[in-house]
Amino acid sequence: KQEVTQIPAALSVPEGENLVLNCSFTDSAIYNLQWFRQDPGKGLTSLLLIQSSQREQTSGRLNASLDKSSGRSTLYIAASQPGDSATYLCAVGNIRGRGSTLGRLYFGRGTQLTVWP
Amino acid sequence: GAGVSQSPSNKVTEKGKDVELRCDPISGHTALYWYRQSLGQGLEFLIYFQGNSAPDKSGLPSDRFSAERTGGSVSTLTIQRTQQEDSAVYLCASSSRGDRAGNTGELFFGEGSRLTVL
Repeated sequence: KQEVTQIPAALSVPEGENLVLNCSFTDSAIYNLQWFRQDPGKGLTSLLLIQSSQREQTSGRLNASLDKSSGRSTLYIAASQPGDSATYLCAVGNIRGRGSTLGRLYFGRGTQLTVWP
Repeated sequence: GAGVSQSPSNKVTEKGKDVELRCDPISGHTALYWYRQSLGQGLEFLIYFQGNSAPDKSGLPSDRFSAERTGGSVSTLTIQRTQQEDSAVYLCASSSRGDRAGNTGELFFGEGSRLTVL
């Protein structure tokens, strides 16, 4: 069964810092990995999608990397801002196999990020 | 529409009542997903539709939960005889792909329907 772990669970940094959020998964048979942010009381906003054949994706100040063989992904946020404060979630989509549920993404519990001015 | 739309945004109901939650996916998206997020918990997968069919309903927590999708578009999640443990935020997502091998593509989520069962 796929298990997704995110470290750290919470992070508080001053504005301007570069930071790294970590995501690890136990089953490397994945199609893709997606990073989301969730603001309090809101839904999830897609940040980056990395296909299993890719090593990284970039969008603005965000860069996500994927090392499928070691079961790891990192989300790098450059020059953090107070508006980046949110919970960041990673999720993997498994290649369908025995016991897996079609269409399901496996989510981590998230990293709660606070960027203070 | 421009994004995934869910209604109602908030629903307060009494224990034992039935509730219906609606999801209108992004136009043209063939795949639709329901998740549940309870306070302090992670996201719990409920069900996935490809077109109008749900290949696997095993994620639904009990037989009080059902979901349907009509016309390959709008989906309704129905909870019968609600219990207090059903209180959660119900999130809907859609994607432009979703195949039998399991590739979901990029998911886009709605704002959720917050259900409170008294």
